[in-house]
Amino acid sequence: DADVTQTPRNRITKTGKRIMLECSQTKGHDRMYWYRQDPGLGLRLIYYSFDVKDINKGEISDGYSVSRQAQAKFSLSLESAIPNQTALYFCATSDYSGSGETQYFGPGTRLLVL
Amino acid sequence: DQQVKQNSPSLSVQEGRISILNCDYTNSMFDYFLWYKKYPAEGPTFLISISSIKDKNEDGRFTVFLNKSAKHLSLHIVPSQPGDSAVYFCAASGSNYKLSFGAGTTVTVRA
Repeated sequence: DADVTQTPRNRITKTGKRIMLECSQTKGHDRMYWYRQDPGLGLRLIYYSFDVKDINKGEISDGYSVSRQAQAKFSLSLESAIPNQTALYFCATSDYSGSGETQYFGPGTRLLVL
Repeated sequence: DQQVKQNSPSLSVQEGRISILNCDYTNSMFDYFLWYKKYPAEGPTFLISISSIKDKNEDGRFTVFLNKSAKHLSLHIVPSQPGDSAVYFCAASGSNYKLSFGAGTTVTVRA
């Protein structure tokens, strides 16, 4: 079984709709992240959470919200989807190795907003 | 403003030869650097990392070199294999542990 799972894997929605992307992890990590990937831009951080009560905005949080329901679950919502939110979305978890932090990624959700 | 840059969007190399991927960064507070590998329809997977107290780290066919004065790191893959064909992302973090990613380099290993 995968350590970090994301649902759905693919989603097509219309402008103005509310959608939720879900992430679950079995790694026991406290830290969880949401990124989006766009061609030529790498991965950009949307939100991150260092524990259940600690949620922080990343570099591109406008238009998104998150919920940390439990240590193992971190969901990303688009309250009113718009076409430029079409992207590949990744959830990640992390642990600290002593010299630095390594993040482990889920398989991604491909979102198309029409 | 992108703090981590991979200036080569693609690299083609013959099987058995060395692949060299380059990455530059601008933030002098970065002290931990990672390389991730990504296949289509999958999430990035951790490949290798290096702390700023070192200048080299090896793991099998993969070696990462860090030149702090030049704010440059590179990933060497020797020998390159067809399964190494993927997108490679360079990433860096500082004391806040948030990762900044480069745009990626697509590696194609030719038989």
